[in-house]
Formats: sequence, C-alpha cells, structure tokens
Amino acid sequence: GENVEQHPSTLSVQEGDSAVIKCTYSDSASNYFPWYKQELGKGPQLIIDIRSNVGEKKDQRIAVTLNKTAKHFSLHITETQPEDSAVYFCAASIGMSGGGADGLTFGKGTHLIIQP
Amino acid sequence: DAGVTQSPTHLIKTRGQQVTLRCSPKSGHDTVSWYQQALGQGPQFIFQYYEEEERQRGNFPDRFSGHQFPNYSSELNVNALLLGDSALYLCASSPGYFRYGYTFGSGTRLTVV
Repeated sequence: GENVEQHPSTLSVQEGDSAVIKCTYSDSASNYFPWYKQELGKGPQLIIDIRSNVGEKKDQRIAVTLNKTAKHFSLHITETQPEDSAVYFCAASIGMSGGGADGLTFGKGTHLIIQP
Repeated sequence: DAGVTQSPTHLIKTRGQQVTLRCSPKSGHDTVSWYQQALGQGPQFIFQYYEEEERQRGNFPDRFSGHQFPNYSSELNVNALLLGDSALYLCASSPGYFRYGYTFGSGTRLTVV
C-alpha cells in the first residue's frame, strides 16, 4: 500500500519568515495530495490540496508544489504568523480505485512553531 | 452551518468491552469515513461508507465495524477492545463518493484501561 514520509517532525521559524514542509510518497498511482492543519483538541482542517495533473497551487500565503517524477510534494507558508503554529499533515490517495474517492494515507505530521 | 459532529468527545472503556462512536456529517455531505489517530501520529484510514454500505476499508481487523443510516449519519463499533485501541477516532464527511474535500470532526478520544 501507499506510504507517506514527512519531514521535518518539528520546525521552528521566526514570525514573518517562510516555512517549508516536505513529503514523499511511494505509490506512483497516487493522484490527490491534500495538506491538513490540526490545532490542539481539534480535527484536521484542509488548508490546500493538489491533483497530479497540476505542478503548483497557491492560495494567499500558502502554496503546494508537486514533483510526480520524484514522488514528492511540499507545503510552503510565507510571512508566517503566530496563528500558523499547529501540526501539519500531508496525505496522499490513489483515488477512485474502488469506484469512489479512496481513503487518505497521512504522514506523521510536522509541529510548526512560530517564534515571536 | 454545522460541521461534522461526533459523540461522545471522551470515553473510557475496559479491555475486552465493546464501544460505539457516532458521527453526523456536514450538511450536504453523504459520504462518511473513519480514521484512527494514535498519539503523535497521523490519522489512519479505517473505512468509508456511502449509500449505507462499506465501500473502502483500510488495514484494520474485523473487530472494527460500522454502519451508515439513511440520514447519512454513521457509527463506528469496536469489539473486544485492546489497550492499543486507545486513540482519537476521527470522522470525516465529503460531498459525494466520487469527490474529495473531506471535512473532519473534532474526534472522540477513546481510552482503554
């Protein structure tokens, strides 16, 4: 089955700087790659996603890039703010294999700390 | 607009017991998935329900079963609880079996003692 590796496990950046989180996946059939933000005591919240027919997607301060050849994708957060502090998860899905949208395989998460 | 609602928020069970967790999907969503999140780990896919049938299943034993009702709400049942079943159980709903855009609930924290 699919395996998703995520790095780093902890990332500390100064407020206003950029943060980059990287993930690799094993199954070349994966075609959907979402990123989730999870705050303490809450469920994961979708912040951005990308499909395999797109190399890059941007939404304000957040961007995701995908390299299908290398089987890795990254989350970029610019101009970080204190409210960006949370655990971030990448995920992958081979999608539609059983006739519908498949379950997600998650990475182990990155604890992002924004230093004031 | 209410999001995904899960109940209870916390519960404690004894090893060997059975537990039922409940989920109401976001308004307009008809597909429900369940995930198990161990402490410090990413969520793991248990199974997915659509049109009251289990459609997809992750690598979980038969002790884990579920149900979806006509109003799209869902239950997760775990039999013969093990200490290792202690985790946060997340429900996610989506607006269709062929669509992504999962919305997660805040989860049920299950502790097995």
